[in-house]
This record gives sequence, structure tokens and C-alpha cells, in this order.
Amino acid sequence: DTAVSQTPKYLVTQMGNDKSIKCEQNLGHDTMYWYKQDSKKFLKIMFSYNNKELIINETVPNRFSPKSPDKAHLNLHINSLELGDSAVYFCASSPPGLRSGETQYFGPGTRLLVL
Amino acid sequence: EDQVTQSPEALRLQEGESSSLNCSYTVSGLRGLFWYRQDPGKGPEFLFTLYSAGEEKEKERLKATLTKKESFLHITAPKPEDSATYLCAVQAGGGKLIFGQGTELSVKP
Repeated sequence: DTAVSQTPKYLVTQMGNDKSIKCEQNLGHDTMYWYKQDSKKFLKIMFSYNNKELIINETVPNRFSPKSPDKAHLNLHINSLELGDSAVYFCASSPPGLRSGETQYFGPGTRLLVL
Repeated sequence: EDQVTQSPEALRLQEGESSSLNCSYTVSGLRGLFWYRQDPGKGPEFLFTLYSAGEEKEKERLKATLTKKESFLHITAPKPEDSATYLCAVQAGGGKLIFGQGTELSVKP
């Protein structure tokens, strides 16, 4: 009965590889997000999708490409991984629509380590 | 520029020793201020949403308050299980949350 789930939980890979992280929510929410948490625990928005449409795209390298096959899923594909991509990536979702003040619910995170 | 600053960065308390965490913010048009709790190795867990100055919300030993420039998270008679990192965030345009750097709370028995 997990609300927001992510796979994998841990990801260790070599520099230059391509990897994907998957996110699924069973809350019936329309809006989903990707956040990156660096080593100093600072959480920063990367992308947001509303009903499969990209609505937020922060200053993120082109190597990062989100994909939303349906409104319950938001995946993150990363090409040519670099050492600086090592971080914890969190998926989140919020209730339908873009009404202000909607609470976002977070997944457990994917810990990416690039060697 | 929208910004959130939390203080202190770390706080050590004895069990039962009440205290407050501060979240100062600047945002063009506050749509909501959120408090989350994050345990090591886990995702942020939602605690409170505050929408307007003067608003207060409570949950067990936690009470969140909001003014036009800052929010406080008051912890009354904390227990060791309250130990966690507490994150404050404001909602900006498009729904994105802008987070502070967090306050790491440690409560010793």
C-alpha cells in the first residue's frame, strides 16, 4: 500500500553509463516531481509534470530527461553519468490540479553513487 | 529571489527540554509554507501546511506558527523519537517547493 514508490533504492554505477530511476504513485495525484538532495541534505526541484505534461524544468543538464508514460508514473533517465550526479533523488506527487498550497508526498529516495 | 533559511543547523536537546526551530523566508506571493520531517535514509514526511500569517497548527508535541517573514516549529517536552532533520519549504510558482537546508534535531534521553 506504498503511496509513492521508487526503484531502485540504491544505484551504484560507473562514470559515463546511462541509468534510469522509476517512480510510481497510487494516490490518484495528477502532479509529480523529481527533487535532488545533495550531500549537505539540500533538496532542490528538478522537474514537475502535471497529467503527463512538463510544467517545471529547472536548470538541469540535458543529460537528465524525465518521462511520464501516464499520470501515475514519472521516470528519470540520466545519460553519461558524472561524479557530480551522485546524490539522493526523490520523487514526489501532489493532488490533482495546480491549485496553490497542495501538499507534496515524497517517495523513499534513490541513492545514486557514480564511481 | 525566493529563499528559505533555517536555524539553527543543528540542535541538541535533553529529553523534556522544549525549544523552537526557525524558518525565515522571502517569496513573491506565499502560496503555502510546509514543514517536513526527514529520518536518516528516508524521504521527507509531511507534518504541516500553513497558508497565512497568524495561522497555527499542532500535532502531538509539535506546533507550527507563521508570520509574514518566518515560521517557527515549537517542540514541547521532546522525546528521543523526535530526533530527525526538520525541513521547511515555501511553495513558489508552478507548485515547486523551495526548501531550507534543514535543522538536525537530536534529543538525548
